[in-house]
Amino acid sequence: KQEVTQIPAALSVPEGENLVLNCSFTDSAIYNLQWFRQDPGKGLTSLLLIQSSQREQTSGRLNASLDKSSGRSTLYIAASQPGDSATYLCAVICGATNKLIFGTGTLLAVQP
Amino acid sequence: KAGVTQTPRYLIKTRGQQVTLSCSPISGHRSVSWYQQTPGQGLQFLFEYFSETQRNKGNFPGRFSGRQFSNSRSEMNVSTLELGDSALYLCASSLRDRGHYEKLFFGSGTQLSVL
Repeated sequence: KQEVTQIPAALSVPEGENLVLNCSFTDSAIYNLQWFRQDPGKGLTSLLLIQSSQREQTSGRLNASLDKSSGRSTLYIAASQPGDSATYLCAVICGATNKLIFGTGTLLAVQP
Repeated sequence: KAGVTQTPRYLIKTRGQQVTLSCSPISGHRSVSWYQQTPGQGLQFLFEYFSETQRNKGNFPGRFSGRQFSNSRSEMNVSTLELGDSALYLCASSLRDRGHYEKLFFGSGTQLSVL
């Protein structure tokens, strides 16, 4: 059974700092991994999608890496801003389906 | 291009009642999936529909059901509501061509409170 864990559960950083969020999964047989952000009481916004054959994806100040063999992904946020404050979730897809298995989330607070 | 639209945004029901939630996917998207989000269990998969057929189902009781119409709009129904059904229900859509894995786009959700 696939389990997805995110560390840390919460993180507070000063504005301008670079930071890394971690995601680990127990079964390396994944099709892809997605990173999302969720603002309070809102839905999820897709940030980056990494296919199983890829090692990383970049979008603006965000960079996500994937290491299937070790069951790990990281989301790197450069030059953090208060607007980055949100909960960040990673999720994996393990088969020919849209069934996402979500991690526990990291609550990020960027202090001005 | 309009995003995923979920209605209503908020619902308050009492135990034993039933409820129907609606989801309109992004135009052209044929796959719709539903998720339940609670503080204790996090995000859990309910079911997925593609071209009006249920393709996958999560571990929820039979009180939770859904359907998809020919225009790809989807509804989910929860009968005999229990207090534990209080949650944010999220709908997601994607193109979902077989063998081609797309990003999922989520709606803002329906916040259901069961009293």
